[in-house]
Amino acid sequence: AQSVTQLDSHVSVSEGTPVLLRCNYSSSYSPSLFWYVQHPNKGLQLLLKYTSAATLVKGINGFEAEFKKSETSFHLTKPSAHMSDAAEYFCVAFPTSGTYKYIFGTGTRLKVLA
Amino acid sequence: DGGITQSPKYLFRKEGQNVTLSCEQNLNHDAMYWYRQDPGQGLRLIYYSQIVNDFQKGDIAEGYSVSREKKESFPLTVTSAQKNPTAFYLCASSIAGISGNTIYFGEGSWLTVV
Repeated sequence: AQSVTQLDSHVSVSEGTPVLLRCNYSSSYSPSLFWYVQHPNKGLQLLLKYTSAATLVKGINGFEAEFKKSETSFHLTKPSAHMSDAAEYFCVAFPTSGTYKYIFGTGTRLKVLA
Repeated sequence: DGGITQSPKYLFRKEGQNVTLSCEQNLNHDAMYWYRQDPGQGLRLIYYSQIVNDFQKGDIAEGYSVSREKKESFPLTVTSAQKNPTAFYLCASSIAGISGNTIYFGEGSWLTVV
């Protein structure tokens, strides 16, 4: 079965320190992978996506993610956290064949401490 | 601006009442989706549609109904058969079928049972 696992439900960092949000996927096919951010009472906004063109993907607001096929991981990082980064983050996969359904992780809530 | 418009933002339902959430997109996308999000949880797929006049049940379709009479519109009806409808509902759209396509989200609608 295809699945996306976000390894941490909550992550706390101090402002100005690095952010690491972890995501692993399980798929019989090489998927397209996305990271989205959700602020309270809002929809999801795309941060970045991986579609096999390059393993290191840069997104908006200084975020980036690296696709590692050998580890089936797609972790999200940012060198220096800002207070405005506090939000819920979702890792999402879209299998390249089979079902047309997007597969969502359960989310990681990022807290940024002053 | 292109995007997805959901209305209303807040809706209250009385016991035994059907309510309809509106979703309109002007992105010219063929595929549209409805997701349910419970507080602190991830997204669960209710229904999706890859083309006009066709739609499929998602993982939690019981107690919900949809229609897709126009490409731009995908309304969701929460029927009285849905016993626990209080949640945040997200409408989304994407280009259909092809891998790597970004899924775009509306701002969401809160439904509360009173």
